[in-house]
Amino acid sequence: GNSVTQMEGPVTLSEEAFLTINCTYTATGYPSLFWYVQYPGEGLQLLLKATKADDKGSNKGFEATYRKETTSFHLEKGSVQVSDSAVYFCALSKNYGGSQGNLIFGKGTKLSVKP
Amino acid sequence: DTEVTQTPKHLVMGMTNKKSLKCEQHMGHRAMYWYKQKAKKPPELMFVYSYEKLSINESVPSRFSPECPNSSLLNLHLHALQPEDSALYLCASSQYQGQARTTGELFFGEGSRLTVL
Repeated sequence: GNSVTQMEGPVTLSEEAFLTINCTYTATGYPSLFWYVQYPGEGLQLLLKATKADDKGSNKGFEATYRKETTSFHLEKGSVQVSDSAVYFCALSKNYGGSQGNLIFGKGTKLSVKP
Repeated sequence: DTEVTQTPKHLVMGMTNKKSLKCEQHMGHRAMYWYKQKAKKPPELMFVYSYEKLSINESVPSRFSPECPNSSLLNLHLHALQPEDSALYLCASSQYQGQARTTGELFFGEGSRLTVL
């Protein structure tokens, strides 16, 4: 079946450090891949997405590349800020047919950035 | 600013109460969703509406009753809940194109935090 595995947290970094959060997936066909971010006490916001192999999603300094050969979609940022402290969810969606809305989430990785 | 609006943001209710959560979107999306999120867990899908018709019910107990009065509104009626139902309830919407390929992107509201006493 379809599944998403992301690195366990929490991750604690100093401001301006480099961030990587690993995400790998198992899926049939050609899913779309997403990173969602959830700030404390809030809902989920789409951070970035990629819909086909080799696509790179980017937003707010974050990047992730859809790697079909390694079934991965790792999230990276070159220099984190305190304001990036949040929980990050990797997710996939089968984007066709009767599977509408079946977003499959990883367990989430909590990031804390210290000044 | 989120384009999916949920009310109320916080709700406290007793086990015998009847209450409702409301969700509204004006993006022209024809698919709407309810998710439940417990603390430190990912969201779990509860219901999906496509073109105002219930298309997915993830074996949710009948004390949760969804309703989609029109293409912009989604309600979740709550009755006889249990303390373990306390959670953040998230509404989301997306484009729906039937069998056609879509990006599958969901737009979430900020959630309604429910506490059942």
